[in-house]
Amino acid sequence: GAGVSQTPSNKVTEKGKYVELRCDPISGHTALYWYRQSLGQGPEFLIYFQGTGAADDSGLPNDRFFAVRPEGSVSTLKIQRTERGDSAVYLCASSAGTGAEAFFGQGTRLTVV
Amino acid sequence: QQQVKQSPQSLIVQKGGISIINCAYENTAFDYFPWYQQFPGKGPALLIAIRPDVSEKKEGRFTISFNKSAKQFSLHIMDSQPGDSATYFCAARASGSARQLTFGSGTQLTVLP
Repeated sequence: GAGVSQTPSNKVTEKGKYVELRCDPISGHTALYWYRQSLGQGPEFLIYFQGTGAADDSGLPNDRFFAVRPEGSVSTLKIQRTERGDSAVYLCASSAGTGAEAFFGQGTRLTVV
Repeated sequence: QQQVKQSPQSLIVQKGGISIINCAYENTAFDYFPWYQQFPGKGPALLIAIRPDVSEKKEGRFTISFNKSAKQFSLHIMDSQPGDSATYFCAARASGSARQLTFGSGTQLTVLP
């Protein structure tokens, strides 16, 4: 596709469950970012990949959150033992390189009940 | 040090009027200042961006004014249209290896017909 694709669009899960959120970046984009957007707030940085490696994971709130990008393209954000406070829209963005314009996906709305 | 403060939280403008949104930052390492537009259910989309070596950038009806000494920048939307009704986020990015965006809290703009 032409843009950043995120699946699923919506995810409802029970407290304590494990979830995976997927991001397909724009083809050829080496940089990939995950952000979290709570209701009425701006996106907050979670983690940044350059290629396959996590270059900066300083935004991950705790060790329940983990992300991978094994082949330098698709990325998966994994959340263990979900809590109600994890409910938010999780946004993925990609860019052609550090410093290039970032393009955002439509986000995955996660609701923990 | 990493915050970007945005105001107002919400703004109502008549069609044809000027919409003005303001942001302020503290981190002098920021060297790129984009504005994003977000419609409900969509990811943020880049609207216009500026670097601190210029004081103003105009693209169509959208203008960024940048005051480096005051560490402030603003978005002006001229001849505002109902289709401009959306949430606007200012952001900033520092030089360095990660290059993630730090977002303001957003301004919900409503343009009345």
